[in-house]
Amino acid sequence: NAGVTQTPKFQVLKTGQSMTLQCAQDMNHEYMSWYRQDPGMGLRLIHYSVGAGITDQGEVPNGYNVSRSTTEDFPLRLLSAAPSQTSVYFCASSTASEAFFGQGTRLTVV
Amino acid sequence: QQPVQSPQAVILREGEDAVINCSSSKALYSVHWYRQKHGEAPVFLMILLKGGEQKGHEKISASFNEKKQQSSLYLTASQLSYSGTYFCGTERNTGFQKLVFGTGTRLLVSP
Repeated sequence: NAGVTQTPKFQVLKTGQSMTLQCAQDMNHEYMSWYRQDPGMGLRLIHYSVGAGITDQGEVPNGYNVSRSTTEDFPLRLLSAAPSQTSVYFCASSTASEAFFGQGTRLTVV
Repeated sequence: QQPVQSPQAVILREGEDAVINCSSSKALYSVHWYRQKHGEAPVFLMILLKGGEQKGHEKISASFNEKKQQSSLYLTASQLSYSGTYFCGTERNTGFQKLVFGTGTRLLVSP
C-alpha cells in the first residue's frame, strides 16, 4: 500500500519555466490538497479538491493551477516559475478527519 | 487567518511534561494536530471537533475550548521520539480538510 506518492522528490527550475508536480494516492480518498512549507511559515494551503472534477483555491493559489480528472491523481502546475516559489511542496490525501501527506517535493527556482 | 501557536520552542528532558497551545481569533469547526520530524512529512496525531470530547491516546492528549477558540496539546512523560515540530491546523466551517496551519512549535526531548 503506497499511500500518497509525490514525484519528483527534488527539482531545480529556471525562472520562467513551467512544470508539473505529480501526486497520486491509492486510498480512494475524495479529499486531496497541496501545501507549501517555507521556514517559519508552517504549511500553507495552495489548492484543494473535494472530489474528481471539483477544485478550489486555498490561501496562496497565485501562480499555481490544479485539476482533478480522477480520484487518484491531483497534479500541481507551476505556470511560470519564480524564485518566490522556492519551497517544499506537500500533497495530502484525506478522509474527513485525517490527512496523509506525501514525502514532499523540494523545489528550487533560480 | 493563521492560528497562533505557543510556545515557539520547547526543550525537555525525557520524562517531563509539555503543553502546546493553539489559538484562533475566529470561530472554529475543528482543530487538527500533526507532528513533523526533520526532513519528513507531517503525521496526524488527532482531531478535535466543536462540541466533541477531549481526545487522547497513551501519553498525548488534547482539548478544545470552544469559548476561547483555543486548543491545547498535552505531552506527558515525554519520550525521545516526541521530538519534532508540532502543528495545529484549523477549519472554520467546512469539514473538507481545508486546513489553516499555525507556524509550529519545535519540541526537543533530550536524554
